[in-house]
Amino acid sequence: SYVVTQTPSVSVAPGQTARLSCGGINIESKSVHWYQQKPGQAPVVVVYDDSDRPSGIPERFSGSNSGNTATLTISRVEAGDEADYYCQVWDPIEYNVFGTGTKVTVV
Amino acid sequence: QVTLRESGPALVKPTQTLTLTCTFSGFSLSTSGMCVSWIRQPPGKALEWLARIDWDDDKKYSTSLKTRLTISKDTSKNQVVLRMTNMDPVDTATYYCARTHYGSGKKNRRLNWFDPWGQGTLVTVSS
Repeated sequence: SYVVTQTPSVSVAPGQTARLSCGGINIESKSVHWYQQKPGQAPVVVVYDDSDRPSGIPERFSGSNSGNTATLTISRVEAGDEADYYCQVWDPIEYNVFGTGTKVTVV
Repeated sequence: QVTLRESGPALVKPTQTLTLTCTFSGFSLSTSGMCVSWIRQPPGKALEWLARIDWDDDKKYSTSLKTRLTISKDTSKNQVVLRMTNMDPVDTATYYCARTHYGSGKKNRRLNWFDPWGQGTLVTVSS
């Protein structure tokens, strides 16, 4: 089965840049999507198809995908960005695979 | 505006069958390209995709749970129903439904992503 791994936690100061990784074998061959989940709330997509942002998502959120790692970059981090972030891909056998999640703490 | 809302029992006993309903508005499952998925999240754990149903009634299931899952739709009521048999305490989770975007993206790769999501419903499995 296809496995997607994420760093469990990332700490970042306000105004700095957070880089979240999503690892999988040849993940660049797959379209990667990123979701933000705040405590007690449903997930919200922040980036889809590697680097596209839905309407209403700030430009501070950007994505890239190369080799075995996809990356979500949050620029000029704000306190409101504190959340869990999940990446997700389509696999022809497993269909949909979510990563293990990264907890972003703004310190 | 697209919205989805999950409904169903908050508590089920082990071995029972869980039936959840997703009621949505703002789109129609009879429209080509429309899909709805179910996803769950055990307390403090990661998201897990369960099943998807498409406008043409095509269905996809999690390989690890497919023997226990049935997804169906009632287009006239704008509802999607998920049934999960033989419930166990490990199935305790928040269950979400989400509109599913499916197709081809950059570099002709297969796209399948979820937006928006319902608020979720917590199901506890306990005797």
